[in-house]
Amino acid sequence: AQTVTQSQPEMSVQEAETVTLSCTYDTSESNYYLFWYKQPPSRQMILVIRQEAYKQQNATENRFSVNFQKAAKSFSLKISDSQLGDTAMYFCAFIRSGDKLTFGTGTRLAVRP
Amino acid sequence: SAVISQKPSRDICQRGTSLTIQCQVDSQVTMMFWYRQQPGQSLTLIATANQGSEATYESGFVIDKFPISRPNLTFSTLTVSNMSPEDSSIYLCSVGTASGNTIYFGEGSWLTVV
Repeated sequence: AQTVTQSQPEMSVQEAETVTLSCTYDTSESNYYLFWYKQPPSRQMILVIRQEAYKQQNATENRFSVNFQKAAKSFSLKISDSQLGDTAMYFCAFIRSGDKLTFGTGTRLAVRP
Repeated sequence: SAVISQKPSRDICQRGTSLTIQCQVDSQVTMMFWYRQQPGQSLTLIATANQGSEATYESGFVIDKFPISRPNLTFSTLTVSNMSPEDSSIYLCSVGTASGNTIYFGEGSWLTVV
């Protein structure tokens, strides 16, 4: 079975600065996908970024980028130039194609003005 | 990505009653799922909604408590039956891409049972 671990229950960052959220996972699979989802106070789950395990290149989406270390089974999210709207819960998640998502426990990020 | 609409977005329900949540997708999708998120917790998969057949439930969830319908490839409902305060949660509908490797979520339905 797959497991996803987020070891930081809460994080805080000053507006305009950079923050990194950690995620590790455990799987015996070689082909899978990793995600970061954002859940603001509105409670909607928003897909932030997606990484295919077979790709060595780290995914980027504007101010969001990941550091994917397959051998170490690590998948961290870097948020650059943090904005007040980035305040949310962030969930790391894992999926094998056609299977169900496995979520981490989440990291609550607060961006300070 | 698909546009996923859920109704109701929020509701306050009386203990012992049942409530049906609707999920409408703007395109045909093969995979639809229902998740529950209890206060302060991560998401837990309730079941996979199968078109034209019975849903596939995860351990700890049963059809009598959470009946699910999926009459076509764009619509599904989840009913929370005989509600108790422990059922107070956010219920989220989600869909998978054709390849099954990306999951998108609806806005969620926030139920409070009193």
